[in-house]
Amino acid sequence: DAKTTQPNSMESNEEEPVHLPCNHSTISGTDYIHWYRQLPSQGPEYVIHGLTSNVNNRMASLAIAEDRKSSTLILHRATLRDAAVYYCILRAGGYNFNKFYFGSGTKLNVKP
Amino acid sequence: DAGVIQSPRHEVTEMGQEVTLRCKPISGHDYLFWYRQTMMRGLELLIYFNNNVPIDDSGMPEDRFSAKMPNASFSTLKIQPSEPRDSAVYFCASSFFMGQGYNEQFFGPGTRLTVL
Repeated sequence: DAKTTQPNSMESNEEEPVHLPCNHSTISGTDYIHWYRQLPSQGPEYVIHGLTSNVNNRMASLAIAEDRKSSTLILHRATLRDAAVYYCILRAGGYNFNKFYFGSGTKLNVKP
Repeated sequence: DAGVIQSPRHEVTEMGQEVTLRCKPISGHDYLFWYRQTMMRGLELLIYFNNNVPIDDSGMPEDRFSAKMPNASFSTLKIQPSEPRDSAVYFCASSFFMGQGYNEQFFGPGTRLTVL
């Protein structure tokens, strides 16, 4: 099982950018990096994913290191609604591409 | 679309009773997943189906747990007999293959199970 390492918690001020790090030193060449988040009392929701290049969408940006052993989820302007647990997941290629290992994630606290 | 629908939202039962959790995936999705979330173990994949066929049930904790998907719009997760250690939030999720590397899973609101 491909594993990721994330800080247990982080804190941010509202309206400021947030950089959530993830280490995945055992990543293989076919593993995609996915980020999900779980708001309080809800199921997880997709945030963003990437393979090698940096990615942007309306929710966030994903910066992937050149050696792919780490990545950073960037929330450009944190809002109170962004307070959640953020999970960095390696999505394997091949037969088990649907098996997500969520890990413990990073709990983000956003202060007003 | 209403999203993934789970029922009941909350279930309280006594040890030894049978518990059935239900899930309706998003129409058109051909993958369905059952997860369990506890404080101790986090979010764990129990089993997933593709086109109603179980593909991987290696996460099912023991024989007391069983899951079925009789058609594309309905799945059940059954625990018989239930035990206090089964208390958790159970999530159902569905997805379809969107292209290389992209298979977003859509999660339901979860069922909070308490076994007394």
